[in-house]
Amino acid sequence: QVQLLQSGAEVKKPGSSVKVSCQASGDTFSRYTINWVRQAPGQGLEWMGRIIPTPGIGHYAQQFQGRVTMTADKATSTAYMDLINLRSEDTAVYYCARSRSDAFDVWGQGTMVAVSS
Amino acid sequence: DIQMTQSPSSLSASVGDRVTITCRASQNIATYLNWYQQIPGKAPKLLISVASSLQSGVPSRFSGSGSGTDFTLTISSLQPEDFATYYCQQSYSMPLAFGQGTKVEIK
Repeated sequence: QVQLLQSGAEVKKPGSSVKVSCQASGDTFSRYTINWVRQAPGQGLEWMGRIIPTPGIGHYAQQFQGRVTMTADKATSTAYMDLINLRSEDTAVYYCARSRSDAFDVWGQGTMVAVSS
Repeated sequence: DIQMTQSPSSLSASVGDRVTITCRASQNIATYLNWYQQIPGKAPKLLISVASSLQSGVPSRFSGSGSGTDFTLTISSLQPEDFATYYCQQSYSMPLAFGQGTKVEIK
């Protein structure tokens, strides 16, 4: 059974960057797609983009183009989401989620990222 | 980009009630529609994929229907553990998108 374990909470200053990790266990990592979804406090779910570990291609939502990079390390079965130039509006819980046919069937536990001066 | 609109945004219901949530897509998405349940403080959980396919382990009181632009999630007899927020999500084309959510509260 696939499990996704995310890195711990982060507190960042505006203008800085954050890198969140998502380690998979229980299945062949390279066979599926990892998505990143975020949820601001009290708000809904926002899809940020996805990475296909093989061949390592990322697709990003337009509003994050230029600020986000998604990567995958097949050797450690870990996906990463790197967000730069942080602003207060980026304060949110960030989830990784496996998708099959673009339905998110396995989720990480979430990583809280707080951006504050 | 495809926009997803849920209604209502919130509802109050009692245990045992039949509950219906609607999701509308801004264009035809065939049956590329998924439903999720989110309990506060937890990650979302996939309930239904491709409009009507119940995920393994999800109680049969949950059902989904629809195609094209209009979809429905129905809970036939609301249970205490069903009080949560429900989201639809289109998987027809990029960018993938969620509805704004429907919060189901206790009456």
